[in-house]
Amino acid sequence: DAEITQSPRHKITETGRQVTLACHQTWNHNNMFWYRQDLGHGLRLIHYSYGVQDTNKGEVSDGYSVSRSNTEDLPLTLESAASSQTSVYFCASSESTSGRADTQYFGPGTRLTVL
Amino acid sequence: EDQVTQSPEALRLQEGESSSLNCSYTVSGLRGLFWYRQDPGKGPEFLFTLYSAGEEKEKERLKATLTKKESFLHITAPKPEDSATYLCAVYNDYKLSFGAGTTVTVRA
Repeated sequence: DAEITQSPRHKITETGRQVTLACHQTWNHNNMFWYRQDLGHGLRLIHYSYGVQDTNKGEVSDGYSVSRSNTEDLPLTLESAASSQTSVYFCASSESTSGRADTQYFGPGTRLTVL
Repeated sequence: EDQVTQSPEALRLQEGESSSLNCSYTVSGLRGLFWYRQDPGKGPEFLFTLYSAGEEKEKERLKATLTKKESFLHITAPKPEDSATYLCAVYNDYKLSFGAGTTVTVRA
């Protein structure tokens, strides 16, 4: 069955270190998204991609970067981790459908703690 | 800017006690409204998409409805396994904007 996976599931790092969170989907979806989820804020969009070599900033993109070299993967990099980036991170993907709202399917999440 | 507000923040129900969750939104040109269920420690799980005012969708004990300004998720005769956080999101420009969610706890 097609699925979307994230790794690691849990990560503890120190302030200032570079961290990369992996996201892999086997749906063959064009669109991929990264969100963070914090108490009281719901899910907030960090970065998104509509296809290979395409990346776009979301509402909370400062301190994060992504790259899309193939259809299946969209890794999220924290260039220099900060305590404010302690959060649960979710990856999602959707199929491009013209004229209709695309359903996004979510991965299981990565809990990141920055000490 | 798209805004989505969910109420209440938390809801405690007795098994069999029906209730409704509210999702009010402001968006320029709604293309779709989504409901997701999220269990602790897991990613959101898709429930419904509503596209236009007046539309309704059902799944087991859940029924979602949509007006021009809000959506309701009705839970009929809930069971403990319906305990979860329910998220509402509006779709615009290929992106989703989420509300903060309503956490539902159903006691046996």
